[in-house]
Amino acid sequence: AQSVTQLDSQVPVFEEAPVELRCNYSSSVSVYLFWYVQYPNQGLQLLLKYLSGSTLVKGINGFEAEFNKSQTSFHLRKPSVHISDTAEYFCAVSRVNDYKLSFGAGTTVTVRA
Amino acid sequence: DGGITQSPKYLFRKEGQNVTLSCEQNLNHDAMYWYRQDPGQGLRLIYYSQIVNDFQKGDIAEGYSVSREKKESFPLTVTSAQKNPTAFYLCASSLTGLETQYFGPGTRLLVL
Repeated sequence: AQSVTQLDSQVPVFEEAPVELRCNYSSSVSVYLFWYVQYPNQGLQLLLKYLSGSTLVKGINGFEAEFNKSQTSFHLRKPSVHISDTAEYFCAVSRVNDYKLSFGAGTTVTVRA
Repeated sequence: DGGITQSPKYLFRKEGQNVTLSCEQNLNHDAMYWYRQDPGQGLRLIYYSQIVNDFQKGDIAEGYSVSREKKESFPLTVTSAQKNPTAFYLCASSLTGLETQYFGPGTRLLVL
């Protein structure tokens, strides 16, 4: 079975500063990788996904993530955050051609002016 | 306007009571899922259905039941056997069981 570790539970950051959210996974087979964002009391919204091809994936709202197979990582980055990026971020993994998503525990990003 | 709707937004359960959470989608997706979210634990899969009239248990199915009589609907019942039901419940759907999952806005269940 696959598993996901999000290395930071809380990330405070100032507005217009860069942010990186770290995600490592473990799996004995090839995987698909996802980042979702959750605003307070709302559902999850897909930010970006890696299925195959280029290891640098660009998503919505200026986010991007890089798949590193040798380090089994899928870190999420944004070069300049806004107050509106305050939310919880979840990394998730599934085996290729499998329905089941395994989620990390989440990283809470708080952007301050 | 396509999407996934969940109702109600907040639900209160009394001891010994069964309650049902609604999930409807108009995306023409075959697969639907129910997750439970607790603080600091991410999401855990309760049940999933890849096609009408078929569903499977996820990782934490005890104390829950589902039905899938229509493609667009996947209601979740939290039974009195679920001893710790307070949580945020999220419904998701995907085009097939192998496609990206999209989530509804969630229902927060509280015990009186």
